[in-house]
Amino acid sequence: AQTVTQSQPEMSVQEAETVTLSCTYDTSESDYYLFWYKQPPSRQMILVIRQEAYKQQNATENRFSVNFQKAAKSFSLKISDSQLGDAAMYFCAYSQSSMNNNAGNMLTFGGGTRLMVKP
Amino acid sequence: DTGVSQNPRHKITKRGQNVTFRCDPISEHNRLYWYRQTLGQGPEFLTYFQNEAQLEKSRLLSDRFSAERPKGSFSTLEIQRTEQGDSAMYLCASSAGAENTEAFFGQGTRLTVV
Repeated sequence: AQTVTQSQPEMSVQEAETVTLSCTYDTSESDYYLFWYKQPPSRQMILVIRQEAYKQQNATENRFSVNFQKAAKSFSLKISDSQLGDAAMYFCAYSQSSMNNNAGNMLTFGGGTRLMVKP
Repeated sequence: DTGVSQNPRHKITKRGQNVTFRCDPISEHNRLYWYRQTLGQGPEFLTYFQNEAQLEKSRLLSDRFSAERPKGSFSTLEIQRTEQGDSAMYLCASSAGAENTEAFFGQGTRLTVV
């Protein structure tokens, strides 16, 4: 079974600074997808960024970028120029290729990292 | 379309009662998922529908839980004989049918069993 581990329950960053959230995962599959989701307080979860395992290039979305190390099974999220609106729970998630299972794009989540942004 | 809608947003029930939650996915999405999230934890997969077919169920889904998606549109999740351990946030998500498409989440239904 796949597992996702986030070792940082809480992180804090000064506004306009950069912060990196860590994630490791375990899988025996070669074809899969990795995601970072953001869950603001009392609001729905939204996708921040995703990475296809077969792509060597790290994904980037504006101020958000990832460091994907496939051999190490590591998938960290870097937030640059942090803003107050970035404060939220961040979840790392894994999805097996839906070609190989009956569970569609079922997500396996880590335990989350609470990010606080100081003004 | 305003996204994935879940009702009710909050439900308080006495132990032993039955509860039913509803999820309305984004209209063109044929994949629908239910997750359960307890306080301070990440969501855990419960079940998956492709159109009206329930293709996968987690071992977390005991026989007190049942989910349906009639006609491949909205979905309901019913919990019978609720227990205090059922208290959690129940999240619904939907996605389009293609590989690796984004899952859109609803705001969830928070269940409290007293």
